[in-house]
Amino acid sequence: DAGITQSPRHKVTETGTPVTLRCHQTENHRYMYWYRQDPGHGLRLIHYSYGVKDTDKGEVSDGYSVSRSKTEDFLLTLESATSSQTSVYFCAIKNSGGGARETQYFGPGTRLLVL
Amino acid sequence: AQKVTQAQTEISVVEKEDVTLDCVYETRDTTYYLFWYKQPPSGELVFLIRRNSFDEQNEISGRYSWNFQKSTSSFNFTITASQVVDSAVYFCALSPIIQGAQKLVFGQGTRLTINP
Repeated sequence: DAGITQSPRHKVTETGTPVTLRCHQTENHRYMYWYRQDPGHGLRLIHYSYGVKDTDKGEVSDGYSVSRSKTEDFLLTLESATSSQTSVYFCAIKNSGGGARETQYFGPGTRLLVL
Repeated sequence: AQKVTQAQTEISVVEKEDVTLDCVYETRDTTYYLFWYKQPPSGELVFLIRRNSFDEQNEISGRYSWNFQKSTSSFNFTITASQVVDSAVYFCALSPIIQGAQKLVFGQGTRLTINP
C-alpha cells in the first residue's frame, strides 16, 4: 500500500461541465502521475508532476490540466468534459530510494462517465 | 517512439495449466525498464516486477517467472500451475532509464481467465 487515495471514486457528469479529480498521497513522494485506462489502449500517461508547481505533459494531455500546490495533492481537471473523456483515471506515485525500489504504485482509480 | 505490444487480447485456460503471456516492445533507448502489472477484477493495479535492460537474467517468484530476451525484444510472463486467483488483466510496460520522471508506456493488456 503506497498510501494513495483518489476522490471521487465514481463520478457521472454532463458534457461541457468542469470536473476535478484529486489524488492524495501520504508518503511525501516527489513524482506523481495521472493515467487514463481505456479498452484496447491499456493505460496512457496524461500529465505528471516532479514537485510542487512542477508539471509536464504526457502522451494524451489535450483537454486536461493539472495542478500541484502541495506535495501530497495532485489535481487533474477536465475544463469542459467531453464524452471521449469517459474513462478510468489512475493516479500513481514513483517510489523513491534508488535501485529496484524505484517503481510506480497506483491508486484505486476513479471511474468517470461523461454523458 | 516507444511501443509495447501484447498480442494476446484474451487467454482462457483450465486451472493447473501453465500459461505464458507475451510482451514485445520497441524502443530506441539503450537502457530501459520493463514492468508487469496485474489488474484483478476489483480494478486496482498491482506491481509484479521491474527488470533493467542490462540484466537479462530470468526471474522466478513462486509460480511466476519472467523471460527477458533482448535479442527478440520480448519480456514474457509465465504462470505455472495456474489458479483461479490468477484471473486478471495483465499489463506489460516500458520506460527509459533516465534521471527523474519514469514515464510508463503500457501494452493493451491481456485478460487471463483461469477456469476451475
